[in-house]
Amino acid sequence: NAGVTQTPKFQVLKTGQSMTLQCAQDMNHEYMSWYRQDPGMGLRLIHYSVGAGITDQGEVPNGYNVSRSTTEDFPLRLLSAAPSQTSVYFCASSSPQGGYEQYFGPGTRLTVT
Amino acid sequence: DAKTTQPPSMDCAEGRAANLPCNHSTISGNEYVYWYRQIHSQGPQYIIHGLKNNETNEMASLIITEDRKSSTLILPHATLRDTAVYYCIVRGLNNAGNMLTFGGGTRLMVKP
Repeated sequence: NAGVTQTPKFQVLKTGQSMTLQCAQDMNHEYMSWYRQDPGMGLRLIHYSVGAGITDQGEVPNGYNVSRSTTEDFPLRLLSAAPSQTSVYFCASSSPQGGYEQYFGPGTRLTVT
Repeated sequence: DAKTTQPPSMDCAEGRAANLPCNHSTISGNEYVYWYRQIHSQGPQYIIHGLKNNETNEMASLIITEDRKSSTLILPHATLRDTAVYYCIVRGLNNAGNMLTFGGGTRLMVKP
């Protein structure tokens, strides 16, 4: 199993540009989440999904959209990038079976200039 | 979910046991204690979790006090590769979306 994969690994955007961060998992997990981590800080939840077709907001959802059309994929869209969105973005998946432990991807490092 | 308190940093000699404490005095009866770690620039990695009994797996042991107000993660023989930030997280299983609330964690430095 590849686990949780994220693309791209690095991205530089100009203010106002839009882009989609990709996340995929091959463990058939029902739950998927997006977190951001600013320098020296813990992770903060952006959006999450408890199954295909179901999404909800986390702690810091403004400026981001998500959709979940399949179990495997959970893309995160930045609508109009701002310097405040410069961060490392982590995708995670989990399942009620086995204790809800979350499996994280390697992260996407985003810089907005 | 209950708030946790951890020391900001700790050192440990290679080969010795690393004991990382966590205080969660406001934990409620249906909340579990989870431990994750984050090695520099990588995604967090699940280590172990428990409710009230002590737990052990191939990575670590988790000791939870009888009143459940604190716990200790034990890495029995720390190696240089265990240098990381360790997060103690308390959450209930009915937590919508399985959201994890990350605090500051403990930065463990394993030294030769």
